Amino acid sequence: GAGVSQSPSNKVTEKGKDVELRCDPISGHTALYWYRQSLGQGLEFLIYFQGNSAPDKSGLPSDRFSAERTGGSVSTLTIQRTQQEDSAVYLCASSSAQGYQPQHFGDGTRLSIL
Amino acid sequence: GESVGLHLPTLSVQEGDNSIINCAYSNSASDYFIWYKQESGKGPQFIIDIRSNMDKRQGQRVTVLLNKTVKHLSLQIAATQPGDSAVYFCAEKQYNQGGKLIFGQGTELSVKP
Repeated sequence: GAGVSQSPSNKVTEKGKDVELRCDPISGHTALYWYRQSLGQGLEFLIYFQGNSAPDKSGLPSDRFSAERTGGSVSTLTIQRTQQEDSAVYLCASSSAQGYQPQHFGDGTRLSIL
Repeated sequence: GESVGLHLPTLSVQEGDNSIINCAYSNSASDYFIWYKQESGKGPQFIIDIRSNMDKRQGQRVTVLLNKTVKHLSLQIAATQPGDSAVYFCAEKQYNQGGKLIFGQGTELSVKP
């Protein structure tokens, strides 16, 4: 498709389980970003990829969170030993370059931890 | 810390009127600003952007104004339509600080028919 694609759209899991969230960026976009949006909150930056490298991981809230990107395309965000405070919408965005280019967002994965 | 904030959390306007959504930013080093529209259950949708070397930029029915002196950003929507009802976010970044966007809290725009 033409836009950023995220899967699954919804994920419900039990506390303590691991989850993987997937992002397919817009074809040709070299920069990829993960954000988190909690209920009633703004968007919180998590991590940024340029190609397969992550120059900025400063927003990852704990070492339970990790992300990777392969082939300069698909990215996965992994949350280990999930906690209830991890419940949020996880949004992925991509841009054609890192500079003065807008980031285009997918519709997110709504993660609920029981 | 650095933040981007909105003056009004909610805005209600009559269909056909013009809307103005405001945003204050605190980092004077920010040099790129974006407005996004977010509808329920959807991701943020790009509306318009502006670089710090400009003070005004126009799109289709939208205008963004940047006042660097008072660190203020606004989004003007002309002839507001019911389909404009959504939450609007402003975001800022610094070109040499990687890809991180700093988002404001958001303003909910409600258009009355």
